[in-house]
Amino acid sequence: AQSVSQHNHHVILSEAASLELGCNYSYGGTVNLFWYVQYPGQHLQLLLKYFSGDPLVKGIKGFEAEFIKSKFSFNLRKPSVQWSDTAEYFCAALGSARQLTFGSGTQLTVLP
Amino acid sequence: GAGVSQSPSNKVTEKGKDVELRCDPISGHTALYWYRQSLGQGLEFLIYFQGNSAPDKSGLPSDRFSAERTGGSVSTLTIQRTQQEDSAVYLCASSSQTSGSTSGANVLTFGAGSRLTVL
Repeated sequence: AQSVSQHNHHVILSEAASLELGCNYSYGGTVNLFWYVQYPGQHLQLLLKYFSGDPLVKGIKGFEAEFIKSKFSFNLRKPSVQWSDTAEYFCAALGSARQLTFGSGTQLTVLP
Repeated sequence: GAGVSQSPSNKVTEKGKDVELRCDPISGHTALYWYRQSLGQGLEFLIYFQGNSAPDKSGLPSDRFSAERTGGSVSTLTIQRTQQEDSAVYLCASSSQTSGSTSGANVLTFGAGSRLTVL
C-alpha cells in the first residue's frame, strides 16, 4: 500500500534560519508529489507539486522541493524562513490508485 | 462556485446520533475526495469519487460511515451512531483529474472542513 512518511513532527526555528522538512514515499510506479500547507485557521493550500521533468520544483513563498527518485524522497526546503511561515506542512503522493495519500504533517513554528 | 464549500462548519452532536456533512465541489470538477483530520494526526483518506465510476471506499473506517455523490456534484458524508472517536475535522477536496491521468489536473482544492464534536 502507498504510504508517505514525514520524519519531523514539530520543528522550531528562528527567523532567517534555513528549513528542510523530510518526506519519503513508498510507491514504485509513476507518482505525483505534493506539499500542502495549512496556516493557522485556514484551508489546506497547495505549496508546490512535482509531476515530471526537472526534479527541483519551486513553489510559492520561496519554497522548493527536490524529487530524488533513488531515495523515494521529496524534501521541502526554504533558505530563510519568516515568522509568517508558521504552519503545518503536509507531504502527499498520488499514484495509480488515485488516492492522494498524506503524511502525518510537520508543525513548523518560526520564532520572531 | 469559486471554491469547495462545506457545511456545516461546526457540528456538535451526542454520541449515538447520526450526522450528515455536505460538500459542494468546484463546478466542473469530476473528482471528489473526503478526508478526516484528527488532532495531532495527518489526513486520513476516506473515500474518492471519480465521475460516474464506482467510488473507492477503501478508507472508510467502519460501516457506520457512508457517502454518496448525487448528479456528479454535491456529496454527502453520513456517519451513523456517532462515537467520540469520530470527533475530527472532515475535509472535502475536488479536482478536475480524470482516471489514469498524471497531469496537472491532479491538484486538489480543499474546503474549509466540517469540525465534528461528539459528546
